[in-house]
Amino acid sequence: EAQVTQNPRYLITVTGKKLTVTCSQNMNHEYMSWYRQDPGLGLRQIYYSMNVEVTDKGDVPEGYKVSRKEKRNFPLILESPSPNQTSLYFCASRETGSHLGNEQFFGPGTRLTVL
Amino acid sequence: KQEVTQIPAALSVPEGENLVLNCSFTDSAIYNLQWFRQDPGKGLTSLLLIQSSQREQTSGRLNASLDKSSGRSTLYIAASQPGDSATYLCAVRPIYGNNRLAFGKGNQVVVIP
Repeated sequence: EAQVTQNPRYLITVTGKKLTVTCSQNMNHEYMSWYRQDPGLGLRQIYYSMNVEVTDKGDVPEGYKVSRKEKRNFPLILESPSPNQTSLYFCASRETGSHLGNEQFFGPGTRLTVL
Repeated sequence: KQEVTQIPAALSVPEGENLVLNCSFTDSAIYNLQWFRQDPGKGLTSLLLIQSSQREQTSGRLNASLDKSSGRSTLYIAASQPGDSATYLCAVRPIYGNNRLAFGKGNQVVVIP
């Protein structure tokens, strides 16, 4: 089954404790990205990657890091989480290389609470 | 910068009525427009993808139209059911910039049995 998976699905942590949220897709997509969703603010992009070893900032990159060492994986790293990073996080992927838009697929989300 | 607006933000309809959800966007230079469904605290499920060259897409009881020149899309859900209760998100993929999706804030729908 074609899908985007994220782990963990739920996480409660404390300020300053480094964490990683993993994301993996099995569709051989070049493009992957991370979003956060907050009430009243909607979905905002954190980082994206056009391909292996190519990453770039989205709208709200502060406090986050990403890496893209393999095509299928795109982990989100919070080196020193703070309470304002409490949010619902989504990983997404799609194909590239077409003049037409390609459908974007989303993972199930990770609910992060930083105390 | 692409701005996406969804009106109304929330609506309730009795079961069996047709649902009409509106999405507007400010820049017509888009690759596509995608409608998603999101249940509370859950992920996004893609419902329909309309390419910029298309006028509409249909899937079962769902029909989405696109008028790119006026910057509008409408999602129709025929004969609504309580299971259609969810938030519906509209997103466009701009041609310019890094062409990341620009999302509206959603239409929160409640279908009353």
